[in-house]
Amino acid sequence: EVQLEESGGGLVQPGGSLTLTCAASGFTFSRYTMNWVRQAPGKGLEWVSYIRGAGTSIHYADSVKGRFTISRDNAKNSLYLQMNSLRDEDTAVYYCTREDFGTLGGYWGQGTLVTVSS
Amino acid sequence: DVVMTQSPLSLPVTLGQPASISCKSSQGLVYSDGDTYLNWFQQRPGQSPRRLIYKVSNRDPGVPDRFSGSGSGTDFTLKISRVEAEDVGVYYCMQGTHWPVTFGQGTRLEFK
Repeated sequence: EVQLEESGGGLVQPGGSLTLTCAASGFTFSRYTMNWVRQAPGKGLEWVSYIRGAGTSIHYADSVKGRFTISRDNAKNSLYLQMNSLRDEDTAVYYCTREDFGTLGGYWGQGTLVTVSS
Repeated sequence: DVVMTQSPLSLPVTLGQPASISCKSSQGLVYSDGDTYLNWFQQRPGQSPRRLIYKVSNRDPGVPDRFSGSGSGTDFTLKISRVEAEDVGVYYCMQGTHWPVTFGQGTRLEFK
């Protein structure tokens, strides 16, 4: 059974940093493209970042480019999102998702809440 | 960025009746490989999103056949043939053809 479990969320002050982790199980992690998608409280879905299986191709939303870094450790079946220079508008539930049938969103984790506030 | 515009934003429905959601993109969504990367997601209250349809018209495993997707070019539609109680929630379209990936605003399906 495919499982994705995010962790690392919490309360952080503006300008601070946080690293999210997505632990994957139930599939050969290295073979799959992964994405981070976020959802601000009461708002819609916003794509954040993308990384291919070998980590050779990476993309970011303009809203996080230069501040967030996506990475993966295929030996540990883990996906990461390093978030620096956090802003109020980064407050959201962050989901990791696995591609399926060659496109985003086949599987989702339960999400982890990041709150940026002083 | 490709803008995805959904309508309606709120959809009052009656149990057992059909429902339809429109999604229009600001650019064509055919990729160079010939596929059209238009997906539909359902988000029930308090839950993570769930993909229903990928590449316009392909149902994900386990998705009831009352859900169907269609469309081409810049106009796409999600249809529910007979709405059931468990279908309450917000529905999103998403394009993955052009960077960045973009989602529609969401359509809230609720019972009259």
